Amino acid sequence: ETGVTQTPRHLVMGMTNKKSLKCEQHLGHNAMYWYKQSAKKPLELMFVYSLEERVENNSVPSRFSPECPNSSHLFLHLHTLQPEDSALYLCASSQARAGDNEQFFGPGTRLTVL
Amino acid sequence: AQKVTQAQTEISVVEKEDVTLDCVYETRDTTYYLFWYKQPPSGELVFLIRRNSFDEQNEISGRYSWNFQKSTSSFNFTITASQVVDSAVYFCALSEFESGGSYIPTFGRGTSLIVHP
Repeated sequence: ETGVTQTPRHLVMGMTNKKSLKCEQHLGHNAMYWYKQSAKKPLELMFVYSLEERVENNSVPSRFSPECPNSSHLFLHLHTLQPEDSALYLCASSQARAGDNEQFFGPGTRLTVL
Repeated sequence: AQKVTQAQTEISVVEKEDVTLDCVYETRDTTYYLFWYKQPPSGELVFLIRRNSFDEQNEISGRYSWNFQKSTSSFNFTITASQVVDSAVYFCALSEFESGGSYIPTFGRGTSLIVHP
């Protein structure tokens, strides 16, 4: 595997389900990000982990819970979601603490909440 | 107020036309970084270019060129002789140093470019 991978690529869940999104980066980076991209909104930064510590939360609802067990893996745990949470969830990685480093994105997980 | 403004929501051109995507940013920092990303229909954003605030030199890469002007806080992107494969959503992003010790990027809303054959 190379770059940034995300699983699953597609997920359909009910409002009472609990699921998790997984992201893995094979680039040796030490910062990872979760973004939400919905049809009519810009990319929304949800969480940032730099050197495995959460840096920014951006007031995301508590039904989204991130986990970063090491610098290569990032999870987004989902529970009791709402239909408006349906979106493309993108994971990205970069070298932290150096602003000129570009982000590398995964292909995203298309989430549908019924 | 948005920190990164991409006023063009959607642009439609015919193949071989030149097209410019606008990006205007807002920051109080003297050191910052600007980026352009491309998101094709497959969904994965792909990095195109970055610029730091001290380097106003324009850049050309094949059919792509970028015009960075600090005086107008703009970082515009031009595609020359557009092709159908250029059809995608293009994002401009600004990276500033945050008090927490990291650079946090802010993305514009994106411009959807449709190139017709």
